[in-house]
Amino acid sequence: DSGVTQTPKHLITATGQRVTLRCSPRSGDLSVYWYQQSLDQGLQFLIQYYNGEERAKGNILERFSAQQFPDLHSELNLSSLELGDSALYFCASSPHGALAPYFGPGTRLTVL
Amino acid sequence: SQQGEEDPQALSIQEGENATMNCSYKTSINNLQWYRQNSGRGLVHLILIRSNEREKHSGRLRVTLDTSKKSSSLLITASRAADTASYFCATVSGYSTLTFGKGTMLLVSP
Repeated sequence: DSGVTQTPKHLITATGQRVTLRCSPRSGDLSVYWYQQSLDQGLQFLIQYYNGEERAKGNILERFSAQQFPDLHSELNLSSLELGDSALYFCASSPHGALAPYFGPGTRLTVL
Repeated sequence: SQQGEEDPQALSIQEGENATMNCSYKTSINNLQWYRQNSGRGLVHLILIRSNEREKHSGRLRVTLDTSKKSSSLLITASRAADTASYFCATVSGYSTLTFGKGTMLLVSP
């Protein structure tokens, strides 16, 4: 158990819908990262937050957005969902200065 | 975008044998990390090697890094059935964000 929690574990929804994935980082970790793992694209970095501020942006679609709240938990919002958005979405967290983040168990999103 | 490319894509061995996986990458890096993923589950960090290191050991794991060839290898000695998983290399170039390869699926048969 990495100490990073993600909810829900599984999510099944329809095209065009909007969903919110939630991540609670390890206690005290200021950085939160979101990654997407799909069959087509593999593991891709989406976005990083540090203490509430966006720190780095990767291959995140405009239909996707994220935020980190004052209590450091983070949410990834996916809207106008398409079949190709079906994937495992991982959250990871790390303390300041750490070189390797801790990954959560992931949320498996299925878009039908 | 993918930075690392693992080789082979899949590897099948018997318990007790050694498993070697290779990773190549394209740009300069700060460090390179290896992760394990058990069937559709979360990623577990195995080992990190900095760009100024050439070899690192952790238990049954040995990682090498050749920055001139932009390549790394992960050796798992005396493999066990529990080592069956997908293994990914990931590079860090700027911030602490990871760029992953496509992974090697390792099957260790009893």
